[in-house]
Amino acid sequence: RKEVEQDPGPFNVPEGATVAFNCTYSNSASQSFFWYRQDCRKEPKLLMSVYSSGNEDGRFTAQLNRASQYISLLIRDSKLSDSATYLCVASSTGNQFYFGTGTSLTVIP
Amino acid sequence: DADVTQTPRNRITKTGKRIMLECSQTKGHDRMYWYRQDPGLGLRLIYYSFDVKDINKGEISDGYSVSRQAQAKFSLSLESAIPNQTALYFCATATSGIVDTQYFGPGTRLTVL
Repeated sequence: RKEVEQDPGPFNVPEGATVAFNCTYSNSASQSFFWYRQDCRKEPKLLMSVYSSGNEDGRFTAQLNRASQYISLLIRDSKLSDSATYLCVASSTGNQFYFGTGTSLTVIP
Repeated sequence: DADVTQTPRNRITKTGKRIMLECSQTKGHDRMYWYRQDPGLGLRLIYYSFDVKDINKGEISDGYSVSRQAQAKFSLSLESAIPNQTALYFCATATSGIVDTQYFGPGTRLTVL
């Protein structure tokens, strides 16, 4: 079983829509969680860390549910520039980072 | 200037050749990582290093070796390249800490014929 699993999508949404991605992790000892954004053929870049209390950064909201071992990313008022692949990441001790395969998002005009 | 650089950015080589991918960073981070990315498989860890004297195998280290020449430099070698090592390779760095994020280089696209 993979450490981190994501629905690969693709998600095709109109501009202005709200879209949510979920990700599950298998290691209950995981302590740190992140969402990364990756544009086609480019390097992943940190979008946001995910905290137990949930956190928000502008149009982006991340949530962590430890009991069910999943994290989520909500994007409100989608922009064309949000089109990318979103990678879910879990780390148990900070030593290794486990990446999901990514969820593809296309925002349509 | 980029904080994490990789050379070469693109490389085409033949089966059986030895090839080295290099990574340098100016972020002052102790931790460095090498990943490969394949379509549908996501990023998979090859090797990681927490300092110059610390080297650890990741999920898929077979067929690869690494060298941490200095805090700022971490090289990945393919001892005898094979076609299924064709992939996008990323180097990443991270600080030490409870919640540490990774910073990636621009990637090296390697094709083994």
